[in-house]
Amino acid sequence: RKEVEQDPGPFNVPEGATVAFNCTYSNSASQSFFWYRQDCRKEPKLLMSVYSSGNEDGRFTAQLNRASQYISLLIRDSKLSDSATYLCVVRWGTGANNLFFGTGTRLTVIP
Amino acid sequence: ETGVTQSPTHLIKTRGQQVTLRCSSQSGHNTVSWYQQALGQGPQFIFQYYREEENGRGNFPPRFSGLQFPNYSSELNVNALELDDSALYLCASSKGQGVAYEQYFGPGTRLTVT
Repeated sequence: RKEVEQDPGPFNVPEGATVAFNCTYSNSASQSFFWYRQDCRKEPKLLMSVYSSGNEDGRFTAQLNRASQYISLLIRDSKLSDSATYLCVVRWGTGANNLFFGTGTRLTVIP
Repeated sequence: ETGVTQSPTHLIKTRGQQVTLRCSSQSGHNTVSWYQQALGQGPQFIFQYYREEENGRGNFPPRFSGLQFPNYSSELNVNALELDDSALYLCASSKGQGVAYEQYFGPGTRLTVT
């Protein structure tokens, strides 16, 4: 089983729509959770960290469910500029703070 | 821009050859991690260097090796290249090795093995 699993999509949504992505992780000892955004042929960039209490940053809301070991990202009022691949990322363990990435979910926002 | 730079941006090699990729970490960062991202996949952790020592390794064979220099820049070396090594190689730097430290990614080196 992969450490982090995501639906690869693609998700094609019209501008203004609300879209949600889910991700599951296998290691119950996971400590940190993130959503990264990756534009085509570019490096991943941190979109937001995910906290147990849930957190919101403008149009983006992230939720963590430790009991079910899943993470979600909700994007409201989608913009054309939101088109990208969204990577679910988990981190656990001591020592090397390596990140475990999902395969990413591709989002295309259509005019 | 994160301040993390990588060179070269693109590279074409043939099977069996060796390659060296380079990464300059962001100022003030002492930890560099390397990731391999195959097409359509998420990045996979190769290894991490902290203060010039390897500090963790993913599921990659020994022909993937690395170095970190006193200025905290780093190299990734791959020997005996295979077709499946074709990927985007990303380095990420952070202020430390602990889980509290965010990683900042460079733009990557796209390696094609023919």
